[in-house]
Amino acid sequence: GEDVEQSLFLSVREGDSSVINCTYTDSSSTYLYWYKQEPGAGLQLLTYIFSNMDMKQDQRLTVLLNKKDKHLSLRIADTQTGDSAIYFCAEGGGSGGYQKVTFGTGTKLQVIP
Amino acid sequence: DAGVIQSPRHEVTEMGQEVTLRCKPISGHDYLFWYRQTMMRGLELLIYFNNNVPIDDSGMPEDRFSAKMPNASFSTLKIQPSEPRDSAVYFCASSQTSGSRETQYFGPGTRLLVL
Repeated sequence: GEDVEQSLFLSVREGDSSVINCTYTDSSSTYLYWYKQEPGAGLQLLTYIFSNMDMKQDQRLTVLLNKKDKHLSLRIADTQTGDSAIYFCAEGGGSGGYQKVTFGTGTKLQVIP
Repeated sequence: DAGVIQSPRHEVTEMGQEVTLRCKPISGHDYLFWYRQTMMRGLELLIYFNNNVPIDDSGMPEDRFSAKMPNASFSTLKIQPSEPRDSAVYFCASSQTSGSRETQYFGPGTRLLVL
């Protein structure tokens, strides 16, 4: 079945860039997503990229997709303490259909002031 | 819209008791998902519904777990009997069919502790 893997933890200093990496196995995935979970809350869609794109930029966020290697990354420029959260990579639109989204384990980002 | 509503937000119960978690999806959304989040296993999809019909329940751990969606605005996840290993945060999410990119909207979760 589909599998999405991420590193569990990342620590950065405020003002630096953060890069969160993810690998997935379903080569037929159509959409790749990044969700953010703040403490005590549910997940919230942060951004997404269509599988025929290599890069997507949205203000401080840059998503890079290497479809050949099935590797996705999220770069947060000028990381702020408010960016501290768990970030989930997810894939959808593949063999599971558009509605079923497979989430990774989440990467906890700690921003040090 | 108020978003996805879950109740209760916190539940503490003793082993063997029945637990019922509730969810109200966003109005107009035709998909509803139940997830479980633990430190050990991350975020797991338990079951999802389309137009109130269960589509995939392969993630339901065992027969102690059951889920229903009697109408478009309400769903329950029941655990009977509950066990300490069921302690987790349970999320409900909903989405609307678009034929392409799907955004799931998550509720705040129910934090369950089984003693």
